[in-house]
Amino acid sequence: NAGVMQNPRHLVRRRGQEARLRCSPMKGHSHVYWYRQLPEEGLKFMVYLQKENIIDESGMPKERFSAEFPKEGPSILRIQQVVRGDSAAYFCASSYRDQPYEQYFGPGTRLTVT
Amino acid sequence: GIQVEQSPPDLILQEGANSTLRCNFSDSVNNLQWFHQNPWGQLINLFYIPSGTKQNGRLSATTVATERYSLLYISSSQTTDSGVYFCAVDDTPLVFGKGTRLSVIA
Repeated sequence: NAGVMQNPRHLVRRRGQEARLRCSPMKGHSHVYWYRQLPEEGLKFMVYLQKENIIDESGMPKERFSAEFPKEGPSILRIQQVVRGDSAAYFCASSYRDQPYEQYFGPGTRLTVT
Repeated sequence: GIQVEQSPPDLILQEGANSTLRCNFSDSVNNLQWFHQNPWGQLINLFYIPSGTKQNGRLSATTVATERYSLLYISSSQTTDSGVYFCAVDDTPLVFGKGTRLSVIA
């Protein structure tokens, strides 16, 4: 049973470009969560999605960030017009049921903005 | 929102030693998980333990929900145990502590 998949694993973008991060949940999981980890810090929640719905986006910056989880295909975290402060590791997690339930994490995407 | 505090922040062990990591949380929770972030950055699920005690090999964990703390025990530590150990509680959403950075030296 494949785990949570994320790609790319590493992404380099220049300031002002767009970053697209993809997450495929574990088989049978329909709940996806995105977290951000800044250097030397713990993970911070960004957004919680189910298929075609955003359930909780209280941790998402108000501008430039968006997320989707379409009926078919992976969940996408999109960052427009990236800035140096967006450099971080972005982790996706999935769970079988609604919160609270055990979450399984992907390997993360390390975004570097130059 | 809920506060999660982990101690100690840093820990250096000789290979073969035992250790206890602590996680305190400020309110009742429905979910508590322990993770190991290895030196390559990957997050590995260790325990899903909202209450009670669980064991997996050299690792075990205990959560006393009524007293709002959880403990992670590592016995006979190995160099591969090095990394950062995170406790996370479900306050809808999952709230992480800052972690305990463990270094096991041969």
